Amino acid sequence: QSALTQPHSVSGSPGQSVTISCTGTGSDVGGYNYVAWYQQHPGKAPKLMIYDVSKRPSGVPDRFSGSKSGNTASLTISGLQAEDEADYHCCSYAGSYTWVFGGGTKLTVL
Amino acid sequence: QVQLQESGPGLVKPSETLSLTCTVSGGSISGYSWSWIRQPAGKGLEWIGRIYTSGSTDYNPSLKSRVTMSIDTSKNQFSLKLNSVTAADTAVYYCARGVAAASTKSCFDFWGQGTLVTVSS
Repeated sequence: QSALTQPHSVSGSPGQSVTISCTGTGSDVGGYNYVAWYQQHPGKAPKLMIYDVSKRPSGVPDRFSGSKSGNTASLTISGLQAEDEADYHCCSYAGSYTWVFGGGTKLTVL
Repeated sequence: QVQLQESGPGLVKPSETLSLTCTVSGGSISGYSWSWIRQPAGKGLEWIGRIYTSGSTDYNPSLKSRVTMSIDTSKNQFSLKLNSVTAADTAVYYCARGVAAASTKSCFDFWGQGTLVTVSS
């Protein structure tokens, strides 16, 4: 069970769109539609932004969207705002009732 | 809204057992799955294991030999024990709930604020 692969960092200017990728294998991301994305500000707990690949919990802005193609899931943030600057983590079901996370991506809003 | 709060010693000696408890408030602990997740400083998240209110458990294969989880529904609490700890177990430990409005295979929705556990003599 290896960690999912995320880019170390991404950046974008206010109003732009950014996409963060999360690459796994056919045993996790590619094998199931149970990918979630979390936003984590420094010193805070992760906050659920997307679950089951593309579902948004109540209260999460529709600027946040999720998708998946093959073994790679993606989180897209449109209309970037300063408060979106944070770390983003992906999570995937990995079979046999186990879960695996990515290494996290630092989003910088320029 | 559901709230989770971790509690336990912040310092554990090498080779000893790390023990943490998560208290759930604002809702019942029954009918959900509950997980422990940790994050070493500056690193990514690692799922440790989960427990159902029935008491059945699933653990990360890499930690399975050292982990025990338990649940006390009367107190709305669940617990983690990790034995034979080393410095590599130093991390912020979070408790979390399986996404309620989804499959039992979905990830996690509500998280505690986290508690730092340092392994050092």
